[in-house]
Amino acid sequence: AQSVTQLDSQVPVFEEAPVELRCNYSSSVSVYLFWYVQYPNQGLQLLLKYLSGSTLVESINGFEAEFNKSQTSFHLRKPSVHISDTAEYFCAVSPGGSYIPTFGRGTSLIVHP
Amino acid sequence: NAGVMQNPRHLVRRRGQEARLRCSPMKGHSHVYWYRQLPEEGLKFMVYLQKENIIDESGMPKERFSAEFPKEGPSILRIQQVVRGDSAAYFCATSGVGNEQFFGPGTRLTVL
Repeated sequence: AQSVTQLDSQVPVFEEAPVELRCNYSSSVSVYLFWYVQYPNQGLQLLLKYLSGSTLVESINGFEAEFNKSQTSFHLRKPSVHISDTAEYFCAVSPGGSYIPTFGRGTSLIVHP
Repeated sequence: NAGVMQNPRHLVRRRGQEARLRCSPMKGHSHVYWYRQLPEEGLKFMVYLQKENIIDESGMPKERFSAEFPKEGPSILRIQQVVRGDSAAYFCATSGVGNEQFFGPGTRLTVL
């Protein structure tokens, strides 16, 4: 079985500052890793995913995440955040070959002007 | 190109009533997944269906909950005799064969 730990329930940050949202997972098998974003009163949208290959994956809106197998982590980073990045961010893991992920409890990113 | 549709968006039921939640997949998607999100928690997988088949229902409560995905029409998650603890946001996601899941906007169920 897999589990996901998002260490911070809430991360406040000022606009244009860098941010890191932490995610650690546990699994006895190889995994797929995902970050989803949820804006208020909306469903989840896939932000980026790691399936195989390069351990650094990027999204189209400036976020990136690095798969670190030795530390079992998949932290999400952005060098300069915008007000519009305010949302709930969920890390998720699924066994390799499966697309039914186990979700973390989420991190609320709050960007202040 | 409509995305995943869910209705109703908000549903209020009294204890003991039935709740029916609908999910219409994106065009070309034949896989449906239902998740429940409780306050301050992540999404919990409930059930995975393909047309007319339940593939994995390991996350479904043993009683009162059922799901179907008929040959025609939307997938339906049914909760019979609702209790206050059923209050949550219910999301469905759909996918094509072996691909990523696309989520609907969710149905927020409130049980009075």
